[in-house]
Amino acid sequence: EVQVVESGGGLVQPGGSLRLSCAASGFTFSSYWMSWVRQAPGKGLEWVANIKQDGSEKYYVDSVKGRFTISRDNAKNSLYLQMNSLRAEDTAVYYCVVGVGAPSWGQGTLVTVSS
Amino acid sequence: QSALTQPASVSGSPGQSITISCTGTSSDVGGYNYVSWYQQHPGKAPKLMIYEVSKRPSGVSNRFSGSKSGNTASLTISGLQAEDEADYYCSSYTSSSPWVFGGGTKLTVL
Repeated sequence: EVQVVESGGGLVQPGGSLRLSCAASGFTFSSYWMSWVRQAPGKGLEWVANIKQDGSEKYYVDSVKGRFTISRDNAKNSLYLQMNSLRAEDTAVYYCVVGVGAPSWGQGTLVTVSS
Repeated sequence: QSALTQPASVSGSPGQSITISCTGTSSDVGGYNYVSWYQQHPGKAPKLMIYEVSKRPSGVSNRFSGSKSGNTASLTISGLQAEDEADYYCSSYTSSSPWVFGGGTKLTVL
């Protein structure tokens, strides 16, 4: 069974940094595109970033370009999101998502950016 | 990276059928057969209900069906049940970014 578990969320001040992790199990991690999708409180879903199987291609939504970095470690079956220069509008639940055609989602981790 | 357009809310009585629309452009919904639908209950993660326009993941009731015509995709729920009350989101692959989502539709079962 595909399982992904996010961690690393928490409260951070504006301008601060946070690193999210996603631990994957139950499937061949290195065979799948991986993505981060976020949902601000009371709002809809927003794709944030994704990364190709071997990490050679990475894409970002315009609002996080230059601030967020997606990466993966296939040996550790793990996905990461390094978030720098955080803003209040980055406050959201961040979901780790497996694949593209029939995506599997984790339960999410809450990031709160506030002073 | 504009969002897909969904109605803000729909409602129906138990046993009835409802349809939620999801309108995009030829650069997303109309151009690819990678439309997905998600169900989200309050405080829970989105659950995949339909993928690749009309395919159902294992375990999803056959009361849920998907279709597409031109730039508009649709999710139909037949035989409405109380537990179907939730928010529903569509998503599509796009030519400019991997995914775009709809704004969400709140389904109320009367």
